[in-house]
Parts: sequence; C-alpha cells; structure tokens
Amino acid sequence: GAGVSQSPSNKVTEKGKDVELRCDPISGHTALYWYRQSLGQGLEFLIYFQGNSAPDKSGLPSDRFSAERTGGSVSTLTIQRTQQEDSAVYLCASSLARAGDRYEQYFGPGTRLTVT
Amino acid sequence: GENVEQHPSTLSVQEGDSAVIKCTYSDSASNYFPWYKQELGKRPQLIIDIRSNVGEKKDQRIAVTLNKTAKHFSLHITETQPEDSAVYFCAASTGRRALTFGSGTRLQVQP
Repeated sequence: GAGVSQSPSNKVTEKGKDVELRCDPISGHTALYWYRQSLGQGLEFLIYFQGNSAPDKSGLPSDRFSAERTGGSVSTLTIQRTQQEDSAVYLCASSLARAGDRYEQYFGPGTRLTVT
Repeated sequence: GENVEQHPSTLSVQEGDSAVIKCTYSDSASNYFPWYKQELGKRPQLIIDIRSNVGEKKDQRIAVTLNKTAKHFSLHITETQPEDSAVYFCAASTGRRALTFGSGTRLQVQP
C-alpha cells in the first residue's frame, strides 16, 4: 500500500514569507508526527497528533509554527514569517498507535525547505 | 523531558568487522527504544526496536541490548557490509510523547 507522502518535496521561499507543508499519512494510522532535521543533524520533534486528542505542541520552536490535522488524516504544517534558521528538512511520520507503543513510525520522504 | 545522547558521532570499520553504537537516556519512564537507519537523501527507516521488558533482541546481523538500571542501550552490527554505511539514530519514548532522537552516528564500512 501507499506510504506516507509529503508535498512539496522541495520549497524555496524568501525570508518573511509564509509556507505550508503537507503530509498524507498511511491510511488508518491514528498518530501523526512532525519532525525537523537540519543539515547533518538529528531529528527534532515538533508536534504530535493522536486521534481526536489535543495535539502535543511542546516541540514547536516558536509561535510562527502551527499545524493542523483535518478529519484525522491529512496534516498541514504552517510556518509564518519564515527565517533563514527555519531551513531544514521537515519530516512527517505516522503510526498505528501512540508514541511508545510497539508500532513503528513510518516516515515520509520529507520536504526540504530553503529560506533565502 | 527526555534527553538521548548517542556515541560515537562517526564510526569507520573494515568490512566484516563489528560496529557498536551506544545511547543513554535520561527519563526512567521511557519504555520503547527504536533504532533507525538513514541513507543519504533518504527517509529514516526502522531497523530494530526493543521494549523495556526485554534485555536483548536480535535480528540476523543486528542486535540491540538494553540496560534499564544504567539507562543505556546499544546497537550491535556484526559482519558489516558496505551497504550498512549510513547514519544510525537511536530514540526513546515514554509512551505519552513522540520519539526523542539521538544526534546520530555516521557509520562508514570500508570494503
């Protein structure tokens, strides 16, 4: 079946512009995660959605970052007034169950964001 | 919150040798410890995971050990092959939060 998909694959934007990144999780997966990976670095947790529960936003680096998940499926990560330090690969992952359970997190291919 | 430290940051071995990567975590409530492999330009992929009720798990050439008392876990790759070359990430989770990842280990297997 189809895996996690993300769009766009690459995004170049000017400093100060807003961007929207999209994630389509695997069908039936109730948990969805956003991570950020800067060049040569590890994965930094941003936000986590589980079913109809309130999202865990504790990883969002500033109030310029927000995310929503519509209908328990597709998610959009929005970055307002982008800064150069926002440049990174934004990875989305989904899993059958909440974080910590046995179920694997399946990652999408990521969106490479470059802020000029 | 959870903090995961990973060592070494780079590791070079000869083909056929073993490779060991070590991680420590801070939150004693963490109970799930996966390892991900990320090839250049690719997405991370799970290669093995372990839960806190198990001390060791093996899958062919890959094994993971967990010491809950010391709060550390390790990845062991035996008979390394050039295709094992990649960045490996450890991670930990308490069950209520998303994964906290280590900083990664770049493994280079020299043919």
